[in-house]
Amino acid sequence: DGGITQSPKYLFRKEGQNVTLSCEQNLNHDAMYWYRQDPGQGLRLIYYSQIVNDFQKGDIAEGYSVSREKKESFPLTVTSAQKNPTAFYLCASSPQGETEAFFGQGTRLTVV
Amino acid sequence: AQSVAQPEDQVNVAEGNPLTVKCTYSVSGNPYLFWYVQYPNRGLQFLLKYITGDNLVKGSYGFEAEFNKSQTSFHLKKPSALVSDSALYFCAVRPFYGNNRLAFGKGNQVVVIP
Repeated sequence: DGGITQSPKYLFRKEGQNVTLSCEQNLNHDAMYWYRQDPGQGLRLIYYSQIVNDFQKGDIAEGYSVSREKKESFPLTVTSAQKNPTAFYLCASSPQGETEAFFGQGTRLTVV
Repeated sequence: AQSVAQPEDQVNVAEGNPLTVKCTYSVSGNPYLFWYVQYPNRGLQFLLKYITGDNLVKGSYGFEAEFNKSQTSFHLKKPSALVSDSALYFCAVRPFYGNNRLAFGKGNQVVVIP
């Protein structure tokens, strides 16, 4: 099946630890995105990548890092510098241009 | 940078009545516009999009949206709401030319009352 897979679905970490969220797609899409979702704040863009080995900061990149070494993969690391990391994280991918983005099922990160 | 405004936090509608969810956008040049729906603890599902052409766009599950360039709006509509339409709805915009950055609004919770 073609699609975009995020893992794990639920993730718990202690405060001060870095954690990496996985996002893999087999749709051959060029662009990939990471969003953070908090109640009442909608989807806020963390990072996006238009091609391999290139990515741009979104609106709330502080405390996060990404890599795009392969077209299929766009992992997100939540570092200890992120002050309030508990949230629902969504990954998406899309071809260039007019086609809509496809979303993964999300990872709910809880930092205690 | 492009942005989306969804002015209402929650939209309540009686089952069988028309449903409208409002969206206005800001983008440099012409836009690609999208509507998505989200159910609890799930990813977003695509409903419909505007690229070019007819201002009235028809999508999945009986939804449609009207593009109005002068008002920079892309309101989502459904003639007769179902209880199963209760969900969170997001409007999104991406520029026709230039970067591939996809910006979302804050979402609207739709509650359809039986």
